[in-house]
Amino acid sequence: DIQLTQSPSFLSASVGDRVTITCRASQGISSHLGWYQQKPGKAPKVLIYVASTLESGVPSRFSGSGSGTEFTLTISSLQPEDFATYYCQQRNSYPLTFGGGTRVEI
Amino acid sequence: EVLLVESGGGSVQPGGSLRLSCAASGFTFSDRFMDWVRQAPGKGLEWVGRIRDKTYSYTTEYAASVKGRFTISRDDSDNSLYLQMNSLKTEDTAVYYCAGAKTGNYHGYFDYWGQGTLVTVSS
Repeated sequence: DIQLTQSPSFLSASVGDRVTITCRASQGISSHLGWYQQKPGKAPKVLIYVASTLESGVPSRFSGSGSGTEFTLTISSLQPEDFATYYCQQRNSYPLTFGGGTRVEI
Repeated sequence: EVLLVESGGGSVQPGGSLRLSCAASGFTFSDRFMDWVRQAPGKGLEWVGRIRDKTYSYTTEYAASVKGRFTISRDDSDNSLYLQMNSLKTEDTAVYYCAGAKTGNYHGYFDYWGQGTLVTVSS
């Protein structure tokens, strides 16, 4: 199984900050990676797929990059509504797997 | 409006069974691979399994942790997805989400999600 390791697991930030979250895969997964945002008590929401493609309707302050084993999610200017937990997910091979999550708090 | 509405969650003793349902509307259900994803209390997301569409003969994939105990099925005539869970263990306690995979070459990503249904396995 492909393991995804996110860092950091917890991040304290302020409105307006630039935030970067890293996801490392245990083996190469090309660009087969997505990013999700989850707020407490809610279902996840896809932000990015194929490593860098922005989902329709997602603000352009979110961006993704990377390929192979190292990927990043960047929020260029953190907004109040962005405080949430973020997960990476690989679709390179079964079983599909998620990273452990990064909680972004004030 | 896309809606995925799960039902069937509840409390069950270890070794018991439960069947979850997911009613879909607002999109062409039959065109989509459909998945179940779960989240244990206070924990991260865990993919449970997938059922492909008719083009792919409704084939399934499962996580090792549930293979042989859980079965995913679908009824395209009723826009419904199911998760039959047998031999339940305490570690199966989680919120179970029904998720719709993106179409085409992007079917590994989930753009539709239900609100989740809680399954509690406890004696």
